[in-house]
Amino acid sequence: KAGVTQTPRYLIKTRGQQVTLSCSPISGHRSVSWYQQTPGQGLQFLFEYFSETQRNKGNFPGRFSGRQFSNSRSEMNVSTLELGDSALYLCASSLDSSVKRETQYFGPGTRLLVL
Amino acid sequence: AQSVTQLDSHVSVSEGTPVLLRCNYSSSYSPSLFWYVQHPNKGLQLLLKYTSAATLVKGINGFEAEFKKSETSFHLTKPSAHMSDAAEYFCVVRGGSGNTGKLIFGQGTTLQVKP
Repeated sequence: KAGVTQTPRYLIKTRGQQVTLSCSPISGHRSVSWYQQTPGQGLQFLFEYFSETQRNKGNFPGRFSGRQFSNSRSEMNVSTLELGDSALYLCASSLDSSVKRETQYFGPGTRLLVL
Repeated sequence: AQSVTQLDSHVSVSEGTPVLLRCNYSSSYSPSLFWYVQHPNKGLQLLLKYTSAATLVKGINGFEAEFKKSETSFHLTKPSAHMSDAAEYFCVVRGGSGNTGKLIFGQGTTLQVKP
């Protein structure tokens, strides 16, 4: 099976712009979660989707949004980019992340640099 | 609330010597615990997970972890380090009960392996 894919892998934007990141989960997986990784804050949870519904949301401003499509692919959007949004954005997929001890498989990430 | 604390931010060992990466957890109920590894410029790979079937959990690449409820610990070990083990290691707990797969990450331990 193909793993989790994320596009694009690298992105450079300027402050004030918006960006959309994409995640394709492993075939058959219905859960997609997003995480932000920075040197200062480490790995932080952004959102969790299951069957097109947002099931949980982390403590991020409303500039961060996401959605999931009927084929389980997910996108996240960041509007009005700030310098502090520079990070590695990781997507994780699983069959159903609410199942206890379910394994979540991570993609390679999208590295976003905001100038 | 669930949390994990990785007790060492950086561990340095010589090739062929044992590895010990320490993790303490906090959870109000039987936790879901994981260890993930991240190699430079790569996504996260699952090393092992605690399933409650056994307190000693075997993972990939010769890694093991022992769940100790009395000490609230889930330390990661490997008998003999290899150069390819140099990476960032994350102890992870699933956050909250119920309908969420949110993962809470420790701050990470950088493992350096010297020849």
